[in-house]
Amino acid sequence: AQSVAQPEDQVNVAEGNPLTVKCTYSVSGNPYLFWYVQYPNRGLQFLLKYITGDNLVKGSYGFEAEFNKSQTSFHLKKPSALVSDSALYFCAVRAPYGNNRLAFGKGNQVVVIP
Amino acid sequence: SQTIHQWPATLVQPVGSPLSLECTVEGTSNPNLYWYRQAAGRGLQLLFYSVGIGQISSEVPQNLSASRPQDRQFILSSKKLLLSDSGFYLCAGGQGVQETQYFGPGTRLLVL
Repeated sequence: AQSVAQPEDQVNVAEGNPLTVKCTYSVSGNPYLFWYVQYPNRGLQFLLKYITGDNLVKGSYGFEAEFNKSQTSFHLKKPSALVSDSALYFCAVRAPYGNNRLAFGKGNQVVVIP
Repeated sequence: SQTIHQWPATLVQPVGSPLSLECTVEGTSNPNLYWYRQAAGRGLQLLFYSVGIGQISSEVPQNLSASRPQDRQFILSSKKLLLSDSGFYLCAGGQGVQETQYFGPGTRLLVL
């Protein structure tokens, strides 16, 4: 069965500094990987995904993520964090076969300090 | 692109009362549809998913049921709510083998 680990409960970063949110995964076969962001009392918003191709994926709002097969990781990054990036971030994975069920991580709270 | 609509946004219900939450999809046909629950403290739990009209798969046996009476309509129901049914309910939709799941705005349910 597929699973995702997001090891840090909360990530604190100063505004303007680089932001990294970590994600490692476990799945049989080549993974489909996703990042979502959630603001308070809102649904999840899709940021980016990796299916195949270039290991560096660029997404919405200046975010990017790098797929590393050897380390089974898909860390989310942003070069310069904004206060408005403060939110809950979810990593998700699924296998490329069978049903389309996603396995979500527990989420990381990102706090950007002005 | 598809848009997921959910209502109501907030619901307060007494224990033992029935529940009906509706999700509709705009902008696509024959979507895969999902119901998730997010308890306080953030984790998402998949409750049901559907690949077509009348086709429902249940992930976790519990007090809830789901139905898909139309292609773009997905309903979450309960005959008698429990305190433990409180949470944030999210509907999502996707399409195709490499689908991205897009989420609705959610319904906050409080059972008292």
